[in-house]
Amino acid sequence: QSALTQPRSVSGSPGQSVTISCTGTSSDVGGYNYVSWYQQHPGKAPKLMIYDVTKGPSGVPDRFSGSKSGNTASLIISGLQAEDEADYYCCSYAGSYTWVFGGGTKVTVL
Amino acid sequence: QVQLVESGGGVAQPGRSLRLSCAASGFTFSYYAMHWVRQAPGKGLEWVAIISYDGVSKFYTDSVKGRFTISRDNSKNTLYLQMNSLRVEDTAVYYCARDPSYCTSGGCHSDLYGMEVWGQGTTVTVSS
Repeated sequence: QSALTQPRSVSGSPGQSVTISCTGTSSDVGGYNYVSWYQQHPGKAPKLMIYDVTKGPSGVPDRFSGSKSGNTASLIISGLQAEDEADYYCCSYAGSYTWVFGGGTKVTVL
Repeated sequence: QVQLVESGGGVAQPGRSLRLSCAASGFTFSYYAMHWVRQAPGKGLEWVAIISYDGVSKFYTDSVKGRFTISRDNSKNTLYLQMNSLRVEDTAVYYCARDPSYCTSGGCHSDLYGMEVWGQGTTVTVSS
């Protein structure tokens, strides 16, 4: 149950797009289409932003999108806004009713 | 609206026990599987345990197996985490979260992506 690998930080100017990668193995990210992404502002609970690799929950702006290729999933934030500055975590089903998270990525809006 | 409220956190010495609770409202609690997820200070999220909608099936991350027990009381709409033999490394904010999978009298829906709705968390500090 090793953590998924995410970049520690990414940054972009308002209106730009940023991409956060999440690399696992064939036992988690690559083996299932059950990747989710969570946004967490300081001192707050995580919030679901993307589920099942590409699906967005009701109420989440469509600026947030997800994709996957092989053992790497990605979260794309298009049209970056100030309120998008937060920590983002990927999560993947890892088999046998266990889940694994990434180490988290801090998104900074310049 | 869906609400999850954790309680029971506090300070405990290594080797001692704590029981966390998570009160659910705004949805039919007995239909849904539930998770516990934790976050050590300044660190990332770590999945801890899941329990099925009926409390029959339970799964844990390796580091808490044999020490932590997840349970639920559907008559009280409450999820629990009994934490025994606490270690310093168990220090974290503990979140309960609703799984997207559910079972009703009409059948079951399964989705394994993780956590759909989160509580605000309760802090556990293990220190001598």
